[in-house]
Amino acid sequence: GAGVSQTPSNKVTEKGKYVELRCDPISGHTALYWYRQSLGQGPEFLIYFQGTGAADDSGLPNDRFFAVRPEGSVSTLKIQRTERGDSAVYLCASSTASGGPPYNEQFFGPGTRLTVL
Amino acid sequence: AQKVTQAQTEISVVEKEDVTLDCVYETRDTTYYLFWYKQPPSGELVFLIRRNSFDEQNEISGRYSWNFQKSTSSFNFTITASQVVDSAVYFCAAISGKLIFGQGTTLQVKP
Repeated sequence: GAGVSQTPSNKVTEKGKYVELRCDPISGHTALYWYRQSLGQGPEFLIYFQGTGAADDSGLPNDRFFAVRPEGSVSTLKIQRTERGDSAVYLCASSTASGGPPYNEQFFGPGTRLTVL
Repeated sequence: AQKVTQAQTEISVVEKEDVTLDCVYETRDTTYYLFWYKQPPSGELVFLIRRNSFDEQNEISGRYSWNFQKSTSSFNFTITASQVVDSAVYFCAAISGKLIFGQGTTLQVKP
C-alpha cells in the first residue's frame, strides 16, 4: 500500500513569507506526527495529532508555527513570517492506534526540504 | 527531561566487519520505549526495532542485534558482517510522551 506522502518535496521561499507543507498519512493511521530535521541532527518533535486534535504541540518552536488536521487524515503544517532559521527538512510520520500511540512504530514520509532565503 | 546520546558521530568499517552503534538514554520515567531508525541516503527514516522498558531481552534479527541494559541505560545496536547497503545514518530514539531522537551515527561501509 501507499506510504506517507509529503508535498512539496522542496520548497524555496523568501524571508517573511508564509508556507504550507502537506502530509498525507497511511490510510487508516489515526496518529500523525510532524518533526523538523536540521542538517546533521536527529529529527526534532514538533506536534502529534490523534485524530483531528493535537494531542501534544509542545514541540512547536513559537506561534509562527501551526498545524491542522481537520478531517483526521491529511495534515498541513503552516509557518508564518518565515525566517532563515526555519530552513530544514520537515518530516511527517503516521502510526496506528493499537497499542497506544505515540509508542507504536512510526512510518515516515520522505520529507519536505524548506529553504528560506 | 529525556535525552538520547549517540556518542559516535561517524563510523567507517570495511565490508564484513562487525560494528556496534552505541546509544545511551536518560529518562526519569519507569515506563518508556526505545527505538532504532535507519536513514539511508534517500532520506526516508526506516523503523528497525522498538523495545519497552520492561523487556530487557536481547533481540536478533538476521544480521542485526540489539543489547538493552537498563543498569547502564544503554541500547546498543550491532550489525554483523556489515554490507555496503548498511551505509546510512542510524538514529536511536526514546519515547515517553513524545519521540526524542539522538543526533545519529553515520555508518560508512566500504567495499
